[in-house]
Amino acid sequence: DVKVTQSSRYLVKRTGEKVFLECVQDMDHENMFWYRQDPGLGLRLIYFSYDVKMKEKGDIPEGYSVSREKKERFSLILESASTNQTSMYLCASSTIRDILLMGNQPQHFGDGTRLSIL
Amino acid sequence: LAKITQPISMDSYEGQEVNITCSHNNIATNDYITWYQQFPSQGPRFIIQGYKTKVTNEVASLFIPADRKSSTLSLPRVSLSDTAVYYCLVARRGFSSGSARQLTFGSGTQLTVLP
Repeated sequence: DVKVTQSSRYLVKRTGEKVFLECVQDMDHENMFWYRQDPGLGLRLIYFSYDVKMKEKGDIPEGYSVSREKKERFSLILESASTNQTSMYLCASSTIRDILLMGNQPQHFGDGTRLSIL
Repeated sequence: LAKITQPISMDSYEGQEVNITCSHNNIATNDYITWYQQFPSQGPRFIIQGYKTKVTNEVASLFIPADRKSSTLSLPRVSLSDTAVYYCLVARRGFSSGSARQLTFGSGTQLTVLP
């Protein structure tokens, strides 16, 4: 079974702090994703990485950056945290190997980090 | 990007069949439809995926009409443990450079199963 592990379930930080959210997957997946989830808005893609050191902006990248130095680890960075970044953050991974089996690649999610910015 | 609409909430009773419809009018030729289930304090979990017609697995069926502008997740004989939020995702086949803006989640449907 694929395991996607997010380093913290709950995190409380202050406005202006630099915040790091970490995600690790154990299935050698090529693709990794960061989403934020807010009531009534569903999941919105922040950043996506399809290979080590490769990244692409999603729908809401402003105020965030990412780092992928190793294949299994994808970090989300809030450069200067603000209160409007209080949210649930979800990490996911997928593999192109699933395309042959299933047509497309389902994503495997971690259990999320609930981040509060005070 | 596909624009996705799904009902905000639905109620059902134990033992009934539940159908949740997702509208995706501007779906592209290479887009696939995937449904996820999410319980409180957990990440979404894959349920089923399809491209056209009907797909069935051990937990659900997915119906996609010929024009592919909508899809319906069907849960047979629901139980209390099926109470969750269900998300529809439309995503371009494969992920590579340039694909980040080619996936869109719906805002989710809260299904409540009553005894």
